[in-house]
Amino acid sequence: RKEVEQDPGPFNVPEGATVAFNCTYSNSASQSFFWYRQDCRKEPKLLMSVYSSGNEDGRFTAQLNRASQYISLLIRDSKLSDSATYLCVVNPGPSGGSYIPTFGRGTSLIVHP
Amino acid sequence: ETGVTQTPRHLVMGMTNKKSLKCEQHLGHNAMYWYKQSAKKPLELMFVYSLEERVENNSVPSRFSPECPNSSHLFLHLHTLQPEDSALYLCASSQDPGTGNTIYFGEGSWLTVV
Repeated sequence: RKEVEQDPGPFNVPEGATVAFNCTYSNSASQSFFWYRQDCRKEPKLLMSVYSSGNEDGRFTAQLNRASQYISLLIRDSKLSDSATYLCVVNPGPSGGSYIPTFGRGTSLIVHP
Repeated sequence: ETGVTQTPRHLVMGMTNKKSLKCEQHLGHNAMYWYKQSAKKPLELMFVYSLEERVENNSVPSRFSPECPNSSHLFLHLHTLQPEDSALYLCASSQDPGTGNTIYFGEGSWLTVV
């Protein structure tokens, strides 16, 4: 099982739709979790951290399920500008004294008019 | 304005050339990273430095040689590359390679090997 897995998509949705992505991770000792957004030919940028209690930022909601080892990202009322690749990032816990974050391969979202 | 700056933004080099990519972070972070992203492929971690010491080398060929002279600067020296090395090279930094630290990326250097 890969350390961090995401459905590559693409998810093709109309404007205004609600879309959800999941990301599974294999290391149960993983410490922290993030969602990044990457636009075409641009660098990844932090979208939001993911907390055990779940967190919301406007139209975006992130949740963590430690028992099932996945995190999710929910986007409500999709906009055209939400079209991007969404990367899941997991800090796997100590390895030789350091925590090296692991990126998923990303889920592509296309929002159409 | 990004806290992590990379130069050059675009580079075309021949297979026998020697060139370097430069990265500078203005965030006071202690950890710096090099990632490679090929077309339609996921990010690949290449190197991690913490307080100028290399803590991760992800089986990268020796034609890529990193250098971290201080905690604000990171270089990637390139020598006798192959066309398949053409990719986006992303530098990043974080407070330290530790729990909960957010990674901040530079805009990347687009490398084409001809």
